[in-house]
Amino acid sequence: EDQVTQSPEALRLQEGESSSLNCSYTVSGLRGLFWYRQDPGKGPEFLFTLYSAGEEKEKERLKATLTKKESFLHITAPKPEDSATYLCAVRGGALNNNDMRFGAGTRLTVKP
Amino acid sequence: GAGVSQTPSNKVTEKGKYVELRCDPISGHTALYWYRQSLGQGPEFLIYFQGTGAADDSGLPNDRFFAVRPEGSVSTLKIQRTERGDSAVYLCASSFGFGNEQYFGPGTRLTVT
Repeated sequence: EDQVTQSPEALRLQEGESSSLNCSYTVSGLRGLFWYRQDPGKGPEFLFTLYSAGEEKEKERLKATLTKKESFLHITAPKPEDSATYLCAVRGGALNNNDMRFGAGTRLTVKP
Repeated sequence: GAGVSQTPSNKVTEKGKYVELRCDPISGHTALYWYRQSLGQGPEFLIYFQGTGAADDSGLPNDRFFAVRPEGSVSTLKIQRTERGDSAVYLCASSFGFGNEQYFGPGTRLTVT
């Protein structure tokens, strides 16, 4: 069964303390892995799309990487405003062509 | 430019009532998606429109749920005979064609009492 698992469920960092969030997937024939940021009471905000193993994308303090089994969202020297829930989603495998399956997210808190 | 907007932002209704949730996508986006998000979970796909037609409604949980997009822009998600289990945040997203990144609205929080 196609699955997307994110870990950890919650992560608390001190400002400037770099770390990584994990997204493991079992979808075969990946047609895209997506990272989103979601603030409380708001809809997800698009960050990155990755399509093939070895691909990397960066935006400010965030860097997303992809292997055949998982993706990492690396956060370098985070600031309190990086606090949010980070969601990953995949499209591919047995999922209908239009489905994008989301993980449950990692809730990140960055303390000053 | 203007993003995806959804109305109302909050809706409280009694069990058994009918509700309509509205989504205004980004101008020019041909694809429109509805998702449902329960507390502590990621969004769950409900239905996808390409233009005016529902290209994929496989995520709708049952026949109490229905969505329309009559002119290929605004969409309405309709829920009949609401149940307490329907309580969730309903998210709408749009994209420029299928397969491209989706841009989400702020959601409608539905509470069924």
